[in-house]
Amino acid sequence: DARVTQTPRDKVTEMGQEVTMRCQPILGHNTVFWYRQTMMQGLELLAYFRNRAPLDDSGMPKDRFSAEMPDATLATLKIQPSEPRDSAVYFCASGLQGADTQYFGPGTRLTVL
Amino acid sequence: AQSVTQLDSHVSVSEGTPVLLRCNYSSSYSPSLFWYVQHPNKGLQLLLKYTSAATLVKGINGFEAEFKKSETSFHLTKPSAHMSDAAEYFCVVSDTTGFQKLVFGTGTRLLVSP
Repeated sequence: DARVTQTPRDKVTEMGQEVTMRCQPILGHNTVFWYRQTMMQGLELLAYFRNRAPLDDSGMPKDRFSAEMPDATLATLKIQPSEPRDSAVYFCASGLQGADTQYFGPGTRLTVL
Repeated sequence: AQSVTQLDSHVSVSEGTPVLLRCNYSSSYSPSLFWYVQHPNKGLQLLLKYTSAATLVKGINGFEAEFKKSETSFHLTKPSAHMSDAAEYFCVVSDTTGFQKLVFGTGTRLLVSP
């Protein structure tokens, strides 16, 4: 049963610390999306990649957030420095190019104190 | 631009009674429409997807949705609610710009009472 995996599942950190979240897309999927979910804003698209290249990261605060795909099996989302307003659940999703269905991971719940 | 409107933020039903979650969409083209479900502290799971093959789409766990172009609606239904159906449901439309982006509704929380 192919699934998107995310680590860590929960992260508590202090303001100013660096946070790195990881995502392993479904094997063979070449499109990866990062979302953030909060009570106030709902689901927001932060960035997405196709064939490891960033296609759109306009939803991401550029000064502190960065997203990369070091290889086809790993996507990372980094926040440096973290702030309390970054507290949210971060989801990764993957899909196939040309198909609009996205498959979501279980999420990383981030709490910044 | 594509958008979806979920007409109810909360829906409460009793176990064994029908479920109706309402969604209206706006799209310049024939859209792809989805319903995703999110159980507490879980990720989003695809319930069903409409492309253009059939207006009545059957999904998992007994859910189905009907695409009505004249009403620009894509309501989700289930004949008989189970306690395990309690979750947040998102109506979603695909962005037709070709970049595979999804546009999410604000969600409807389904509450099921015994």
